[in-house]
Amino acid sequence: GEDVEQSLFLSVREGDSSVINCTYTDSSSTYLYWYKQEPGAGLQLLTYIFSNMDMKQDQRLTVLLNKKDKHLSLRIADTQTGDSAIYFCAESWSGGYQKVTFGTGTKLQVIP
Amino acid sequence: DGGITQSPKYLFRKEGQNVTLSCEQNLNHDAMYWYRQDPGQGLRLIYYSQIVNDFQKGDIAEGYSVSREKKESFPLTVTSAQKNPTAFYLCASNAEYSNQPQHFGDGTRLSIL
Repeated sequence: GEDVEQSLFLSVREGDSSVINCTYTDSSSTYLYWYKQEPGAGLQLLTYIFSNMDMKQDQRLTVLLNKKDKHLSLRIADTQTGDSAIYFCAESWSGGYQKVTFGTGTKLQVIP
Repeated sequence: DGGITQSPKYLFRKEGQNVTLSCEQNLNHDAMYWYRQDPGQGLRLIYYSQIVNDFQKGDIAEGYSVSREKKESFPLTVTSAQKNPTAFYLCASNAEYSNQPQHFGDGTRLSIL
């Protein structure tokens, strides 16, 4: 079945870059997403990439997609304390409805 | 501002009681979804609806029920048959039933008294 895996925890110093990694199993994925969840809140869409793209950049965020290895990463430049949250990777494909599989989330801790 | 509103933010259920979680969206989205989130786990799909008066079971529908009488509203009922209801419940919607990103509400935390 479909599976999306992420490491559980990442700690970085303020001002450094953060790289959050994700691997997925379904080669028929259409879109891959990154969501951010702050404590007690819902998921906020950060960015997404179509499966035929290799890279997408949006201000401090860079998404890299390696389709051969089914590996997705999110790089946050100049990480700030406000970036501390849980980050979810997700993949979707069309099968009559938008089926989305979420990873378990990576908790990013930014040390001042 | 358009968005998804979930209420209440916190909800407590007694043994044998059914409770209903509200989800309203003003984004004019066709599709709506309910997810359950447990600590340290990803989101699991409970139910989804692509159109008014139609809905489908997700991966963990047992012990839950939904209705979709209006495009804007997709309430979730946690029935007494759901033996482990304590979790964070998230409602989402998207513009079409394929490819458009899902947007989420702020969630309802359900606990057992």
